[in-house]
Amino acid sequence: EVQLVQSGAEVKKPGESLKISCKGSGYSFTSYWIGWVRQMPGKGLEWMGIIYPGDSDTRYSPSFQGQVTISADKSISTAYLQWSSLKASDTAMYYCARLRVVDTAMIDAFDIWGQGTMVTVSS
Amino acid sequence: DVVMTQSPLSLPVTLGQPASISCRSSQSLVYSDGNTYLNWFQQRPGQSPRRLIYKVSNRDSGVPDRFSGSGSGTDFTLKISRVEAEDVGVYYCMQGTHWPWTFGQGTKVEIK
Repeated sequence: EVQLVQSGAEVKKPGESLKISCKGSGYSFTSYWIGWVRQMPGKGLEWMGIIYPGDSDTRYSPSFQGQVTISADKSISTAYLQWSSLKASDTAMYYCARLRVVDTAMIDAFDIWGQGTMVTVSS
Repeated sequence: DVVMTQSPLSLPVTLGQPASISCRSSQSLVYSDGNTYLNWFQQRPGQSPRRLIYKVSNRDSGVPDRFSGSGSGTDFTLKISRVEAEDVGVYYCMQGTHWPWTFGQGTKVEIK
């Protein structure tokens, strides 16, 4: 079965760092991109950035450039999303999803999703 | 950035009746390869999003045939031929043609 399994919910304080994960299985992890999507409480979906685990090519949505870091370890089929200094406004559900990209087009969009990781940032 | 505008934002529907959601883009979504990378996602309450339709009108595996997508250029529609209780949730369109890719605001479908 093709699936993406994300790490568990996190509760952090402002200023703390955090790294959440997304592990792929049931398919060739290095043949697809992984994207991260944010959903703030009661709000819509926002695409954050993507990574190609095969060569770690990473691209960020302009809205999230410099705010987060996306990485991957292809040896363990896992992608990561990390923050160096969390803010209360980072409180949200974060999803990873699989996609295929050619040039700048998302030719196969988010066909498999993880279950989400809830991140709560509060003092 | 390409703006994706959905309407309506809230859609109360009677069980068994049809429903239609519009998605308009601020630019044509036809890519240089001739394809139109417009997708529809469903998010049921408390669940992860799920892709229903890709490239305007292609239904994903396991998606009931009461869901259909249509449109071209800048104007797209998701139709549910007969709404069932399990269709309650929020529906999003998303374009993958122009960087950065963008989602619509979402349309909440509820049962009257």
